[in-house]
Amino acid sequence: AQTVTQSQPEMSVQEAETVTLSCTYDTSESDYYLFWYKQPPSRQMILVIRQEAYKQQNATENRFSVNFQKAAKSFSLKISDSQLGDAAMYFCAYRSRTNFGNEKLTFGTGTRLTIIP
Amino acid sequence: GAGVSQSPRYKVTKRGQDVALRCDPISGHVSLYWYRQALGQGPEFLTYFNYEAQQDKSGLPNDRFSAERPEGSISTLTIQRTEQRDSAMYRCASSRNGRGFGNQPQHFGDGTRLSIL
Repeated sequence: AQTVTQSQPEMSVQEAETVTLSCTYDTSESDYYLFWYKQPPSRQMILVIRQEAYKQQNATENRFSVNFQKAAKSFSLKISDSQLGDAAMYFCAYRSRTNFGNEKLTFGTGTRLTIIP
Repeated sequence: GAGVSQSPRYKVTKRGQDVALRCDPISGHVSLYWYRQALGQGPEFLTYFNYEAQQDKSGLPNDRFSAERPEGSISTLTIQRTEQRDSAMYRCASSRNGRGFGNQPQHFGDGTRLSIL
């Protein structure tokens, strides 16, 4: 079974600064997807960014980028130019790609990000 | 609709009662997932469907939990003889997955917050 670990329960960053959230995972599979989801106080679950394991290039979405280290099984999220609206719980998630139709997400325990004005 | 819709938004019930939680996925989405999220934790997989077929129910905690999706669209998660430990946020997600669609993200509803007294 796959596991996802987020070792930082809480992080804080000054507005306009850069912050990196850590995520490690354990799997015996070679082909999979990784995701970061954002859960603001409104309790929505919003997809921030995703990465296919077979791609060497790190994914980027505007101010959000990842550092994917497949050998180390590490998948960190970098938020540049932090904004007050980035304050939320961030979840890292894993999804297998080997079995068609078996696309359940395995989540970490989350990191609560606070933005300091 | 524009997004995944879940009802009710909040449900408070007494221990021992049965509850039914409803999920209306995005139109045309093949796959539908149920997750449970305890306070301060990441979502945990319960079960999922492709069309009307329940593909995996390995995450259902016990036989008091059941789910159906009889016409391949709306799904109902039922909890019988509720217990206090069932209190959590129950989230539904859907995705367009199907052969030929490749990597499709899961879109989450806002959840049903269930409280058992």
